[in-house]
Amino acid sequence: EIVLTQSPGTLSLSPGERATLSCRASQTIGSSSLGWYQQKPGQAPRLLIYTTSTRATGVPDRFSGSGSGTDFTLTISGLEPEDFAVYYCQYFGSFGPGTKVDI
Amino acid sequence: QLQLQESGPGLVKPSETLSLTCTVSGGFITGSDYYWVWVRQAPGQGLEWIGSINYSGHTYYNDFIKGRGTLSIDTSKSQFSLKVTSVTAADTGVYYCASLIRMAGRGNFFDYWGQGTLVTASS
Repeated sequence: EIVLTQSPGTLSLSPGERATLSCRASQTIGSSSLGWYQQKPGQAPRLLIYTTSTRATGVPDRFSGSGSGTDFTLTISGLEPEDFAVYYCQYFGSFGPGTKVDI
Repeated sequence: QLQLQESGPGLVKPSETLSLTCTVSGGFITGSDYYWVWVRQAPGQGLEWIGSINYSGHTYYNDFIKGRGTLSIDTSKSQFSLKVTSVTAADTGVYYCASLIRMAGRGNFFDYWGQGTLVTASS
């Protein structure tokens, strides 16, 4: 079973700053098999990135995904107020524990 | 665009059975590239995939639910369902139904989600 870990647990930033979120798999996974989700309080998760680097429909281009092997990254190039949320990485049926991005 | 809506009791007594239904609209539940899934989230915790089912009834389950969880599908009603037997307080949380798109050789992704329904296991 693949276990995903995410770091940091919490990322405290200001609007306009760049956010770099890490997801590490316990063993090598397909380089195009990772997803990222955004969840705001009281809402369902939303698919942001699939196949490691493809933005889902309607996702702004300030969100980008990259990585291969065991190390993957979600980058938000300039935080907007609506981006403060929890972000989860996912590989098949496994989710990481999440990174909270707060102000 | 696909829309999913969960329904079912919000309160279940310990040792009894949790039953939830998800109604799919805006698309075909019989799509061959899709599975239909349940994901749960305990209070203040992360996301946990429970299981998946396709239009023909083929299922996958997470190890933690095997033996207690059952997924079923009714394509005539565009609905799929989850039953979990012998619930305990540990089964308390928000239950989401979602669609899972399978991209051959490139992973599976949860692309549309219901709003979620809170289920509390308590006497």
